[in-house]
Amino acid sequence: DADVTQTPRNRITKTGKRIMLECSQTKGHDRMYWYRQDPGLGLRLIYYSFDVKDINKGEISDGYSVSRQAQAKFSLSLESAIPNQTALYFCATSPPSGTGGWEGYTFGSGTRLTVV
Amino acid sequence: GENVEQHPSTLSVQEGDSAVIKCTYSDSASNYFPWYKQELGKRPQLIIDIRSNVGEKKDQRIAVTLNKTAKHFSLHITETQPEDSAVYFCAASGNTNAGKSTFGDGTTLTVKP
Repeated sequence: DADVTQTPRNRITKTGKRIMLECSQTKGHDRMYWYRQDPGLGLRLIYYSFDVKDINKGEISDGYSVSRQAQAKFSLSLESAIPNQTALYFCATSPPSGTGGWEGYTFGSGTRLTVV
Repeated sequence: GENVEQHPSTLSVQEGDSAVIKCTYSDSASNYFPWYKQELGKRPQLIIDIRSNVGEKKDQRIAVTLNKTAKHFSLHITETQPEDSAVYFCAASGNTNAGKSTFGDGTTLTVKP
């Protein structure tokens, strides 16, 4: 089945380390997103990409960077991890707006990151 | 930018009762309103959505209503079952944010058997 896959599922890292979270999809969607989920704070957008050559900052991009290696792959990096980046990270995809308007997201299974 | 507020943050109902979750949005240009269900330890999944050209949409036991004038929309679950227990997120998207979704903070629904 077409899906969105995130690796790793869980990761513990030390403060100051660089870490990469990876996302790949077989949905054939052009749009990809990285969201962060913290308890009681919903889902907040970190970065998004509407095609391979398009990268945009979201509302909480400080301390993060991304790479869109191919239509199907979108990676999130924490340049120098800090404890308040401990969170659940979700990758998501969506098709572009069609004749019916915008469409909903398909989320990956998430990466639980702990920074100690 | 868009701001979405969701209420209540927690909701507990008896099995068989109805549950209602409400969201308000700030950008009058938003025109797509999805709802996601996130079961414990799992990914959010789209359960229903509504576009600004309709006022209500129903899918079996769940329905969503939209009031564009008041800028609020609601999720209604009837005949609740224990498997409806989850966190529910509303979201709003529109042309002014190029279709990116802004999410509410979530409602934790508990259905007691």
